[in-house]
Amino acid sequence: QKEVEQNSGPLSVPEGAIASLNCTYSDRGSQSFFWYRQYSGKSPELIMFIYSNGDKEDGRFTAQLNKASQYVSLLIRDSQPSDSATYLCAVIGSSGYSTLTFGKGTMLLVSP
Amino acid sequence: DAGVTQSPTHLIKTRGQQVTLRCSPKSGHDTVSWYQQALGQGPQFIFQYYEEEERQRGNFPDRFSGHQFPNYSSELNVNALLLGDSALYLCASSWERAGSGNTIYFGEGSWLTVV
Repeated sequence: QKEVEQNSGPLSVPEGAIASLNCTYSDRGSQSFFWYRQYSGKSPELIMFIYSNGDKEDGRFTAQLNKASQYVSLLIRDSQPSDSATYLCAVIGSSGYSTLTFGKGTMLLVSP
Repeated sequence: DAGVTQSPTHLIKTRGQQVTLRCSPKSGHDTVSWYQQALGQGPQFIFQYYEEEERQRGNFPDRFSGHQFPNYSSELNVNALLLGDSALYLCASSWERAGSGNTIYFGEGSWLTVV
């Protein structure tokens, strides 16, 4: 069973701080890695994807991938109350098809 | 540029009934996948359609079936509804030839309540 693991949280950070969200995956052949943000009652919104080892930055968000450790993370700098949501880590596995395996998500709470 | 559109947004069905959900992919996308998300869980993959064929299927019973049309839009059908089918049903679209740079977008979802 190919799995994606995330801490369910909640992860609580003060406004302006850096939030660090982590994810591990079991399928060593996984190819692409995605972070989605999901507000309560809404559908997942794509934040970033990464497929090469290292860091990828987009505004306040940085995705980090370490394939050797089967680990992917998302850093949110200067966290805002509007960042409070559930963050879903998802992986395209070794099949190569664009089918995602999701973790259960980490709830992030940013306090003013 | 229209994103992924789904209909209906909310619906209530009775146990044993059948339901059809619809999805139009993002412009330029040719692959449609369906996911089920129960409360407090991550989305679970149901199946994927490409070139009007079911290409991959998750661990869902045959009560769940689908179709893709020549214009790439898709339907999800669920027969003999159970209470446990109550969930948010998500449609995701992507472009087959994007390869490892594939971006996958979700529609707003269809909330199904079975009573």
